[in-house]
Amino acid sequence: AQTVTQSQPEMSVQEAETVTLSCTYDTSESDYYLFWYKQPPSRQMILVIRQEAYKQQNATENRFSVNFQKAAKSFSLKISDSQLGDAAMYFCAYTEGGSEKLVFGKGMKLTVNP
Amino acid sequence: GAGVSQTPSNKVTEKGKYVELRCDPISGHTALYWYRQSLGQGPEFLIYFQGTGAADDSGLPNDRFFAVRPEGSVSTLKIQRTERGDSAVYLCASSLISGAARETQYFGPGTRLLVL
Repeated sequence: AQTVTQSQPEMSVQEAETVTLSCTYDTSESDYYLFWYKQPPSRQMILVIRQEAYKQQNATENRFSVNFQKAAKSFSLKISDSQLGDAAMYFCAYTEGGSEKLVFGKGMKLTVNP
Repeated sequence: GAGVSQTPSNKVTEKGKYVELRCDPISGHTALYWYRQSLGQGPEFLIYFQGTGAADDSGLPNDRFFAVRPEGSVSTLKIQRTERGDSAVYLCASSLISGAARETQYFGPGTRLLVL
């Protein structure tokens, strides 16, 4: 079974600084997708960024970028110029190319200090 | 509405009771998903609908859980004989095209179920 591991339960960062959230996954598939979701206290999961496994180029979305290391099965999220609104739970997730179900990690709580 | 909506926002019930949780997906989204998020955990897949039919219900924990989507839009998750272990946040998501991992799943705010 595919697994997603987020080993750091909590992190904190100073406003305007950069922080990196780590995620590793385990799969034998070659066609898969990786995601980072943000869950604020409102509980609504919001997609931050996604990466297709077949793409070598790391995905970027404004202040958010990933470091996708396929051989190491590592998928870290870098948040630049951290803002107070970035404070939330962050979940790494995986799905296979032909699947419809997301497999999530346990999440990591990010605190942004002013 | 613009996003996925779920009702009720919170539900408190007693052990052994029956509950229904409702999900209104984004208009036009053909795929609908239910996940369960226990305290301190990530969401876990329960069931996926493609149109009106349940295409994958492998995540339903037991036969006390059932979900329907009779008209291919609104879905209801039904839990019979609730147990304290059913307490969790139940999340619903929808996407534009079913079974396509490249399609983003848009989540609702969830229903927090507490079984006393």
